[in-house]
Amino acid sequence: AQSVTQLDSQVPVFEEAPVELRCNYSSSVSVYLFWYVQYPNQGLQLLLKYLSGSTLVKGINGFEAEFNKSQTSFHLRKPSVHISDTAEYFCAVRNYQGGSEKLVFGKGTKLTVNP
Amino acid sequence: DTAVSQTPKYLVTQMGNDKSIKCEQNLGHDTMYWYKQDSKKFLKIMFSYNNKELIINETVPNRFSPKSPDKAHLNLHINSLELGDSAVYFCASSRQNQETQYFGPGTRLLVL
Repeated sequence: AQSVTQLDSQVPVFEEAPVELRCNYSSSVSVYLFWYVQYPNQGLQLLLKYLSGSTLVKGINGFEAEFNKSQTSFHLRKPSVHISDTAEYFCAVRNYQGGSEKLVFGKGTKLTVNP
Repeated sequence: DTAVSQTPKYLVTQMGNDKSIKCEQNLGHDTMYWYKQDSKKFLKIMFSYNNKELIINETVPNRFSPKSPDKAHLNLHINSLELGDSAVYFCASSRQNQETQYFGPGTRLLVL
């Protein structure tokens, strides 16, 4: 089964600074990767996903991620963050089991944007 | 307009009680899921149903019993609640063999 590792549990940054949230996945023949965001006391919202094709994936709210097969990474980036980006970010990989999809999540990275 | 909804949003109860959480999706999806998020924010799948049939059961205690009356609903019944059951429970849905799962807002369960 595939898995993901989020290397940083907390990332504090100042407003308008760039940010990178790191995610590494276990190697496999093919892999589907996702980034979800969870704002305080809310559910999960899909930011972006990589299925195939272009390795640079653009998502909502100005986020993007790059799929790097040689480094087995799928890091999330934003060139300039806002206070409203403060949230928990989860990297996930799809496992296909018994005719159904299963998302396996990393432990999350708490992004705190300070003024 | 709500795609995946859960009720209740908050649930506070005593140890030993039995409780249910309801989930409904109006997206026409075939597959529904339950995830548990613990106090450290770790998310893990519990169950997956496809067209009302149980597909995935991730070694969840027998006290947890999912019920799918139709494709649009997947309810979670928990017997004999324990302190360790305190968590946020998320329902999700997706089209069969499609990659994107849509999550509900979560049900925050606190067992006292």
